[in-house]
Amino acid sequence: DAKTTQPPSMDCAEGRAANLPCNHSTISGNEYVYWYRQIHSQGPQYIIHGLKNNETNEMASLIITEDRKSSTLILPHATLRDTAVYYCIVRVANNNAGNMLTFGGGTRLMVKP
Amino acid sequence: DAGVTQSPTHLIKTRGQHVTLRCSPISGHKSVSWYQQVLGQGPQFIFQYYEKEERGRGNFPDRFSARQFPNYSSELNVNALLLGDSALYLCASSNTPGNSPLHFGNGTRLTVT
Repeated sequence: DAKTTQPPSMDCAEGRAANLPCNHSTISGNEYVYWYRQIHSQGPQYIIHGLKNNETNEMASLIITEDRKSSTLILPHATLRDTAVYYCIVRVANNNAGNMLTFGGGTRLMVKP
Repeated sequence: DAGVTQSPTHLIKTRGQHVTLRCSPISGHKSVSWYQQVLGQGPQFIFQYYEKEERGRGNFPDRFSARQFPNYSSELNVNALLLGDSALYLCASSNTPGNSPLHFGNGTRLTVT
């Protein structure tokens, strides 16, 4: 799986949008971009994933650049409960690929009042 | 619906002992994966099982083994415990071994003294 690069930490004011960047310049055509987050003392939580089109769900939006070499996770109205480590992962998606996710260091997002 | 459940939540063992960790996947999920998360790092893939067969194995010694039962629950076994095995052990389940997002439990915190 392709390697990802994320800033180690970010701050965001409560109620504002949090934009978390991820670089994945070596991504292959059959690799999806996944985002997970891990709140302290809990297991990672799936947020969203996409291949090349922008995606939105009830938690977040995922913007993938046209060349697919980077993406941004957007939390539209961050709350204190969004304070967590956010992991960007690229993963081949087929039934033979297995469930081996390669977690990097992630971005520690601190939402401040 | 219940999420992924793991037991026990905390465990203290002595070097050289053996430990068994248990995981029940989300109802209907047939794939279970195990991850180790050392303090301050992202989770590292250990094993994946699908339909009771091993589908993937990470870079862990043979002291680590796992199995999946007919009801799709799973056990992770670690023999001859070392201090370095102290970590949060996470179980994740998914519908299939490929593209489906993983759903993680909150883990078992193992401390080896």
